[in-house]
Amino acid sequence: AQSVAQPEDQVNVAEGNPLTVKCTYSVSGNPYLFWYVQYPNRGLQFLLKYITGDNLVKGSYGFEAEFNKSQTSFHLKKPSALVSDSALYFCAVRDTRNTGGFKTIFGAGTRLFVKA
Amino acid sequence: EAGVVQSPRYKIIEKKQPVAFWCNPISGHNTLYWYLQNLGQGPELLIRYENEEAVDDSQLPKDRFSAERLKGVDSTLKIQPAELGDSAVYLCASSLKSNTEAFFGQGTRLTVV
Repeated sequence: AQSVAQPEDQVNVAEGNPLTVKCTYSVSGNPYLFWYVQYPNRGLQFLLKYITGDNLVKGSYGFEAEFNKSQTSFHLKKPSALVSDSALYFCAVRDTRNTGGFKTIFGAGTRLFVKA
Repeated sequence: EAGVVQSPRYKIIEKKQPVAFWCNPISGHNTLYWYLQNLGQGPELLIRYENEEAVDDSQLPKDRFSAERLKGVDSTLKIQPAELGDSAVYLCASSLKSNTEAFFGQGTRLTVV
């Protein structure tokens, strides 16, 4: 069955340190991969996506993500965390196969806390 | 440019009552989604529209939920009758095409008492 896993419910990091939020998926074919962020009382906001090409994609607010096909992972990273990065982060994977119904599946989310 | 607009932001109803949510997508976006988000979980797709056609409603509980997207623009999602377990945040999103990133509204938080 298609699935997206975010193995950490919460990630804690000190301001200025690098951060990583992990995502692995189980979707056949060549799926599209997305990261979204959700701030309190706000809707989900698109951060970045991987469709094809360079495995390292850059997105909004200094975030980047690395696609690893062999490990079926798409980890979100930032070289230097800010307190304002504290939010809920969702990984999403879109099945691009017709047999998969072109569905987008979201992970359960990872809460990031950045301490000053 | 205005984003995805949803109303109301909050709704409290008694069980067995009907409720409706409204969504105005970003202008020009052909694809519209309704998602349900329970506390501590990721969004789960209820229905996806391509223009006015519902192309994926496999996760929509059709005994009590219905949706429409007349003229391929605004959309409404209805629950009748509501149950306690329907308490959640209902998110509307739109995208230019079905294979591009989605833009989400702020959601409607439904509480059924």
